[in-house]
Order: sequence, then C-alpha cells, then structure tokens
Amino acid sequence: EPEVTQTPSHQVTQMGQEVILRCVPISNHLYFYWYRQILGQKVEFLVSFYNNEISEKSEIFDDQFSVERPDGSNFTLKIRSTKLEDSAMYFCASSSPLAIAGTGTDTQYFGPGTRLTVL
Amino acid sequence: KQEVTQIPAALSVPEGENLVLNCSFTDSAIYNLQWFRQDPGKGLTSLLLIQSSQREQTSGRLNASLDKSSGRSTLYIAASQPGDSATYLCAVTLIKAAGNKLTFGGGTRVLVKP
Repeated sequence: EPEVTQTPSHQVTQMGQEVILRCVPISNHLYFYWYRQILGQKVEFLVSFYNNEISEKSEIFDDQFSVERPDGSNFTLKIRSTKLEDSAMYFCASSSPLAIAGTGTDTQYFGPGTRLTVL
Repeated sequence: KQEVTQIPAALSVPEGENLVLNCSFTDSAIYNLQWFRQDPGKGLTSLLLIQSSQREQTSGRLNASLDKSSGRSTLYIAASQPGDSATYLCAVTLIKAAGNKLTFGGGTRVLVKP
C-alpha cells in the first residue's frame, strides 16, 4: 500500500541553524501538508500546498518557515533559524487526487514524522 | 475559530469490552471528520473518514457516527483487544477551509488490559 515517507526520523540541531525536513508524499496525490505536534500537545496545522503554491497557512507558519516541491516527488519544510520552541514532531501528509481546491478534502495520509530537537 | 475536544483524555478497559470515544466540535460547518490512531512516538494512521452528509461509517470492528448539528462524533470499537491500546484522535475540516486544514482534538489515550 502506498505510504508517505519522511526523512530524517530524528534531527538534532543548534538554535539558529537552518533545517530542512523532507517528505515523499503518495505519488498520485496533489495536496500536501505539514503539521507539527509539540510533546504533550495537540497536532497543529502549519501549511497546505497545492498546484505549486501555498493554499493555506497558520499563524505559526511565519517568515522563518518555507515549503517547496523541488521535483516531482519530494516536498520539503525549511526552518531558516530554529528556535528552542520549534522542537516538536513534524508530520507530512498528502491527500487524494479527488481533493479540489475550495471544495474540501479526502482522507489525509500521514507520514511517520520527523522528531526535531533544537538545543 | 473551530475548537475540537475529546473527553475523556484517557480510558482503561478490560479486554473484550466495547470502547466508546467521544469528539465534539464547536463549528458545525464541517466538510468531513477523520478519526486517527497514534501509537507512542509514531505517526497518525487514518481509521475512518465521515463526510458531512453521512451519519455513520464502518470498518471492521470500528464504527463512527456523526451528528453535525450537535457537533459530535463517536467512535465505537467493538470487542476491544490489547492491540487497540493507542491514542485516538479526531480531526475536522471546515467547509470554508480553502487549504483543507485539519483541526485536531487532544486525543483519548486508550489502554486495553488483557
């Protein structure tokens, strides 16, 4: 069964450093997402991406964050200058080709996550 | 702003008992609701998706109901097994959400004792 994959599984970085989290969504999906979960807290939406542009972003997704689909398979989240409070599990997700902008969503499939630790 | 709540936060049952997990949301203008399972330190596994036009969705031992007008969904797991021990999350998508954003509840941590 197709699945979303993420690398690395665990990333440790120093405060102020840039990190890039990588995701390979399910191959025929068109909507891509990043969520994060700080330890002990709810899963929070960061950003959604469709047709090579951001379709929605949360207030968390400030200028320090960016997303990119550099080729036909990868979807990346970059944090330019990490802060201690960026430590969290970051999840990538994708949804089916039936999802059409503005009309809702089909099932979102999540990857296993990247645990980011900022020291 | 959509708020999603899951009560109780934790639940412990003996093996074989049926599980009833609750989810409530404040804005009834939802497009769909998803139930997920999360094992410790792992990703989210989608269990069921209910469209707003549906009242119920079933998969094996799992049955999810949706009452949009009262802002509630319930996940039933029949004849629980120790392997069902995990955290169960519900999440909703609003109709007006252009980006298909999911808003999550805090989850219910389930322990099924052998």
